[in-house]
Amino acid sequence: EAGVAQSPRYKIIEKRQSVAFWCNPISGHATLYWYQQILGQGPKLLIQFQNNGVVDDSQLPKDRFSAERLKGVDSTLKIQPAKLEDSAVYLCASSITGGSAEAFFGQGTRLTVV
Amino acid sequence: DQQVKQNSPSLSVQEGRISILNCDYTNSMFDYFLWYKKYPAEGPTFLISISSIKDKNEDGRFTVFLNKSAKHLSLHIVPSQPGDSAVYFCAASPNSGYALNFGKGTSLLVTP
Repeated sequence: EAGVAQSPRYKIIEKRQSVAFWCNPISGHATLYWYQQILGQGPKLLIQFQNNGVVDDSQLPKDRFSAERLKGVDSTLKIQPAKLEDSAVYLCASSITGGSAEAFFGQGTRLTVV
Repeated sequence: DQQVKQNSPSLSVQEGRISILNCDYTNSMFDYFLWYKKYPAEGPTFLISISSIKDKNEDGRFTVFLNKSAKHLSLHIVPSQPGDSAVYFCAASPNSGYALNFGKGTSLLVTP
């Protein structure tokens, strides 16, 4: 079974630039999450999708972050414009059911904003 | 506001001994608890879980204990092996319909 795929693995951008991350969840997984993990911290939920609908985006900084999951499969997370404090690993995860039934994580995208 | 706390940033244990990783939580609505293991440059991988109706769950060398009254859980690894060296995250959720709240992680080093 293929795992959660994310790209790119690494990205370096200047502040005020925009960036996009892509995630392909495990086939058949209805729930998709984006987490932000800042160095030395645990992952923090940014947004949770159930199929192509948003379940929870309460911690997504909506003035600069946006995410979509068209057709309920792949998802993209965008940051525009980026700030220095956005430097983090962005993790995508998916699960079969609506939540904590073991979520499977991708390898993440390490973003550095300079 | 950190609702899941792992107060030990690091732990070093000799191979063959027991590793005990601790986790505390503040939200009494949490009902489902998981431990994830993370190697460098990889995403977290699920290790073991426990629901609030149980106080213990065992899977091979890994056992999770839950003390709901103390809002505390712990992960025991017996015997510890060098391959267990990784960062361990404790996570919790109100029920299976919600995303996970993670602690900051504990870095475990198992020395030969």
